Amino acid sequence: DTEVTQTPKHLVMGMTNKKSLKCEQHMGHRAMYWYKQKAKKPPELMFVYSYEKLSINESVPSRFSPECPNSSLLNLHLHALQPEDSALYLCASSQTEGLVVYFGPGTRLTVL
Amino acid sequence: DQQVKQNSPSLSVQEGRISILNCDYTNSMFDYFLWYKKYPAEGPTFLISISSIKDKNEDGRFTVFLNKSAKHLSLHIVPSQPGDSAVYFCAASVLGGDMRFGAGTRLTVKP
Repeated sequence: DTEVTQTPKHLVMGMTNKKSLKCEQHMGHRAMYWYKQKAKKPPELMFVYSYEKLSINESVPSRFSPECPNSSLLNLHLHALQPEDSALYLCASSQTEGLVVYFGPGTRLTVL
Repeated sequence: DQQVKQNSPSLSVQEGRISILNCDYTNSMFDYFLWYKKYPAEGPTFLISISSIKDKNEDGRFTVFLNKSAKHLSLHIVPSQPGDSAVYFCAASVLGGDMRFGAGTRLTVKP
């Protein structure tokens, strides 16, 4: 089983809303990731949790806030987003950092 | 800082022929290389990988070649099928570190 699940599949939100993206994996992987992907661009790493310890990408704005409740779950809390934050948000996991990364189906986010 | 480069944004191939997708990298510390396939509105799907101690890895119709001296890897698909039409991303990592992705090559296999 190499499945990473994400909810919701689609999300439309206004610039004043607060929402959360959720991700789950049951492969026993100890590294989990949030990526952002814009059209015709590669996935861009936002955050990594390795053994439930956060590594932050310094260029990610504070309106994105990750949370790792346990080794199987990963959330991304969204607040006061901008229209340019509209993108496909991908959750992923790997056995450890640097090995094969398995992606979820993504959440298509639209910020109005 | 583009450490992984895919210089061909698109490739069109006839069904049954070979598809060759290319990737170059600049960081000589990379020791693990991967190819992912992505359909529209889906997450990338892992296809095949190769570690730096090998120069070839084969899985069915897919073969990845690594030329460390040239810092170049390629993905060969033979025979190509219409269902192979997708965007292919090359990726590279240092074990224990971040994975870097190329910009992708859109492959179209024509029936």
